[in-house]
Amino acid sequence: QQQVKQSPQSLIVQKGGIPIINCAYENTAFDYFPWYQQFPGKGPALLIAIRPDVSEKKEGRFTISFNKSAKQFSLHIMDSQPGDSATYFCAAKMSPNFGNEKLTFGTGTRLTIIP
Amino acid sequence: DAEITQSPRHKITETGRQVTLACHQTWNHNNMFWYRQDLGHGLRLIHYSYGVQDTNKGEVSDGYSVSRSNTEDLPLTLESAASSQTSVYFCASSESRFSETQYFGPGTRLLVL
Repeated sequence: QQQVKQSPQSLIVQKGGIPIINCAYENTAFDYFPWYQQFPGKGPALLIAIRPDVSEKKEGRFTISFNKSAKQFSLHIMDSQPGDSATYFCAAKMSPNFGNEKLTFGTGTRLTIIP
Repeated sequence: DAEITQSPRHKITETGRQVTLACHQTWNHNNMFWYRQDLGHGLRLIHYSYGVQDTNKGEVSDGYSVSRSNTEDLPLTLESAASSQTSVYFCASSESRFSETQYFGPGTRLLVL
């Protein structure tokens, strides 16, 4: 059972555009939602993360929007650059109080920014 | 600098052979994880460990085993390699049970013929 659904699977955007990647979750016990960025031949690396007590978080050109009632969150990349071309994974994690420290990942979005 | 390394980076093996993938971290992290990455499936957890002598099954653990004899290493063993285990394998670590960030290694690309 896939607990975190991610879309689209791939995305092509022109330089300067705003790619948006969406994720939806089912388990209301999730309380931490990170996004990981993976370049070809490398391991994923944490990009930005949010908790459900805020609706938006910005770090540089990257923004997470969070809708707790809809159980959805999304990643926006402002002024996208060719160097942002990578695979992006959303993920979710339960509070340690549940005794479960595992990350549940989405299926990934392959983003290509064309000049 | 502290880091997490995986070896080998590429491996070709035959069906039925036993294969061991190494993962070594120098952060002294308690938690270590093994994932496999396949197109359309994202990252799926194979096994994980919260400390020495502790191991737990993830969502796709059949055909894999791990052991944790020290803090730095969590080797992943494929008992009898199958073509379905052709994948890219990532090791990750995090500081403790209350740490949220996982740090990933560079991956091992495994081909089972």
